[in-house]
Amino acid sequence: AQSVAQPEDQVNVAEGNPLTVKCTYSVSGNPYLFWYVQYPNRGLQFLLKYITGDNLVKGSYGFEAEFNKSQTSFHLKKPSALVSDSALYFCAVRDESSGDKLTFGTGTRLAVRP
Amino acid sequence: EAGVTQFPSHSVIEKGQTVTLRCDPISGHDNLYWYRRVMGKEIKFLLHFVKESKQDESGMPNNRFLAERTGGTYSTLKVQPAELEDSGVYFCASSQVAFSGNTIYFGEGSWLTVV
Repeated sequence: AQSVAQPEDQVNVAEGNPLTVKCTYSVSGNPYLFWYVQYPNRGLQFLLKYITGDNLVKGSYGFEAEFNKSQTSFHLKKPSALVSDSALYFCAVRDESSGDKLTFGTGTRLAVRP
Repeated sequence: EAGVTQFPSHSVIEKGQTVTLRCDPISGHDNLYWYRRVMGKEIKFLLHFVKESKQDESGMPNNRFLAERTGGTYSTLKVQPAELEDSGVYFCASSQVAFSGNTIYFGEGSWLTVV
């Protein structure tokens, strides 16, 4: 069975500082990894994904994520945080054995202070 | 291009009543999914349609939940009768093809409160 762990319920960072939102996963096959963001009272927006190839994936709004197979991690990063980045971030995983289901983590709330 | 649209955006009903949620996928997307997040927990898969057929309904919690996708276009998710533990946000999503690396696009969600 596949699973995703987001060990931090909340991440606090000052505007302009780099941010990292952590995600680790467990799958039986090759992982397909995704990050989604939920702004207050809004739906889930796709940020980026890793399928294969370059371990560093770039996505929307200046976010990027690094796939690390040995550590089974897919941490979300941004070099310089904005107050408008404050939202709930979800990591998700699929593999071939799960059919078409996405398995999500519990979410990490990012708070960027001015 | 319109995204995934869901209706209603918010609903407050009493325990024992019925609620029907509607989802219109992105045009041309054969794959339609329902997910939900209850009690601030993780987002969980409910079911997956390919066109009008149920491909996977392993996540449906019980027989109070009924999903349909007549004609392979929009979908409805009915909860009857609703219980307090059904409160949460119900997300609909769609994708063009069913492939593990394909992106699934989500709607704004239908926020359900059962009182």
